[in-house]
Amino acid sequence: EVQLVESGGGLVQPGGSLRLSCAASGFTFSSYWMHWVRQAPGKGLVWVSRINSDGSSTSYADSVKGRFTISRDNAKNTLYLQMNSLRAEDTAVYYCARAWYFDLWGRGTLVTVSS
Amino acid sequence: ETTLTQSPAFMSATPGDKVNISCKASQDIDDDMNWYQQKPGEAAIFIIQEATTLVPGIPPRFSGSGYGTDFTLTINNIESEDAAYYFCLQHDNFPAFGQGTKLEIK
Repeated sequence: EVQLVESGGGLVQPGGSLRLSCAASGFTFSSYWMHWVRQAPGKGLVWVSRINSDGSSTSYADSVKGRFTISRDNAKNTLYLQMNSLRAEDTAVYYCARAWYFDLWGRGTLVTVSS
Repeated sequence: ETTLTQSPAFMSATPGDKVNISCKASQDIDDDMNWYQQKPGEAAIFIIQEATTLVPGIPPRFSGSGYGTDFTLTINNIESEDAAYYFCLQHDNFPAFGQGTKLEIK
């Protein structure tokens, strides 16, 4: 089955770190750009970061630049988001999505930043 | 960076109705507009690509129109299963999303 499954969310204190994973299956993961997108409670979706197919090029939203790092392991068919220096405003459901045009999404994983 | 203004935020419809959801871009984006459907706890589903092209497997009651700055998602002959959250996305160098529309079926 073609799918993306996020994991790694949870409760973390302000200033803490968390690493999200997105496991891909059913397609050739190494052929696709990948994204992270988030949705804060009651708010709209916001693009967070993007990585190209071989991991050599990345982009970030200004709100996370310098704190978040996107990476991938094509041998493990897995996308990652390392989140450091977390803030309350990073609280959201985080989704991974496939391809430049976002044609496949996961169900998301909830990150809560609170003391 | 392009921003998207989606409306309405909420709408209610009866089975058999036709509904339109609007998405306006802050600058010309040609046809770089996609539409998605998301139900609670489920992955978003890609329904319209490049403003007007129905994604394979999506029922033909869904259609998209528009070019440049004004775009519309239309659902004809609405069914109860169409109750969901719909959002638009422009996928240029800095992707942007509309604020979303929650569609309720009475």
